[in-house]
Amino acid sequence: DGGITQSPKYLFRKEGQNVTLSCEQNLNHDAMYWYRQDPGQGLRLIYYSQIVNDFQKGDIAEGYSVSREKKESFPLTVTSAQKNPTAFYLCASSREEGWGNQPQHFGDGTRLSIL
Amino acid sequence: KNEVEQSPQNLTAQEGEFITINCSYSVGISALHWLQQHPGGGIVSLFMLSSGKKKHGRLIATINIQEKHSSLHITASHPRDSAVYICAPQRGGGSNYKLTFGKGTLLTVNP
Repeated sequence: DGGITQSPKYLFRKEGQNVTLSCEQNLNHDAMYWYRQDPGQGLRLIYYSQIVNDFQKGDIAEGYSVSREKKESFPLTVTSAQKNPTAFYLCASSREEGWGNQPQHFGDGTRLSIL
Repeated sequence: KNEVEQSPQNLTAQEGEFITINCSYSVGISALHWLQQHPGGGIVSLFMLSSGKKKHGRLIATINIQEKHSSLHITASHPRDSAVYICAPQRGGGSNYKLTFGKGTLLTVNP
């Protein structure tokens, strides 16, 4: 079955460390997205990529970095510059055709906590 | 004022009840998404609509563009419907569109 795989499900980080969250999709989708979810708040867009080797900042990109070397993969790195990284991170993807007319497919998320 | 307001924030129902979750938004949109977030955190897209009504099984979504309001209805609710339901209005289209997410409505359906 096609879908989005996020790993790991739970991740712990020491202060000052960078960590990378994995997101892989086998839906042949061109667009991929990273969202952050905090308690009592709606999802907020961190970064998105519409095509391989291209990505754009979302609303809260500071302290994060991404790469899109392959269509299937869109890893998110939470750097030490992100002062409040504890959150639930969701990856999503969507088809290119009919941009804005296709629903986004979501992974199961990664919960990041600071030790 | 938040761009997206969902009501109620929390909803508890008995199995079999008819459920309504409301979403109001303050800007013009091109479409609106309803999402379901499971207790484990994964999200499933339920509906994407830009006018009228859509139905899938026991779920019905309606939207009134002029009134900037959408509703999600669940008929004959079941405990497995317990989840957070999120409304996400979409602005723009083409390759330049943006979703704004509501804070969600936590639905608990008791047997």
